[in-house]
Amino acid sequence: AQSVTQPDIHITVSEGASLELRCNYSYGATPYLFWYVQSPGQGLQLLLKYFSGDTLVQGIKGFEAEFKRSQSSFNLRKPSVHWSDAAEYFCAVGSTGGFKTIFGAGTRLFVKA
Amino acid sequence: SAVISQKPSRDICQRGTSLTIQCQVDSQVTMMFWYRQQPGQSLTLIATANQGSEATYESGFVIDKFPISRPNLTFSTLTVSNMSPEDSSIYLCSVEGGASNLPSEQYFGPGTRLTVT
Repeated sequence: AQSVTQPDIHITVSEGASLELRCNYSYGATPYLFWYVQSPGQGLQLLLKYFSGDTLVQGIKGFEAEFKRSQSSFNLRKPSVHWSDAAEYFCAVGSTGGFKTIFGAGTRLFVKA
Repeated sequence: SAVISQKPSRDICQRGTSLTIQCQVDSQVTMMFWYRQQPGQSLTLIATANQGSEATYESGFVIDKFPISRPNLTFSTLTVSNMSPEDSSIYLCSVEGGASNLPSEQYFGPGTRLTVT
């Protein structure tokens, strides 16, 4: 069965610093991978997705993620964090069987001035 | 993309009562999904709602506790029945963005924050 692991429950970075959020997945075939962001009091918003092709995908708000099959990882990155990026970030994997999306436990990002 | 609204946005309810949450989508969609997000937790899928058929529930969720209606292609309701404090959560509805039969991104409503006292 597919699963998603986000090893970091929370991360604190300084404004302007770079960011990397880790995500590891377990899936038998080529995965459909997503990153979502949930700002306080908001629903989830899609940041980016990977289905196939170029392993470095660009998303909204200056985020990017790299798919590494050898490491079963799909880490999210941003070169310079803004205070408005403080939120909860969820990595997710989609399944072709039943179309069920599995979400990771989430990583809460804190941004300090 | 799809724009999803939910009502109510939040509620405080007494144990033993029921609450019905409404989800409205601005376009016709085949499948709608209901999730629960307990405090500090990730999302757990409750059920998938298809128009014209019974909802499909995930393990640990039953129709008697979470009855779902799907009267048309733009609307669904989730009822949380006989509530207890353990039902205090955010309830989210979502739809898939893709038209194909492959997994695609999901669009989420803003959620309903439920507190049971």
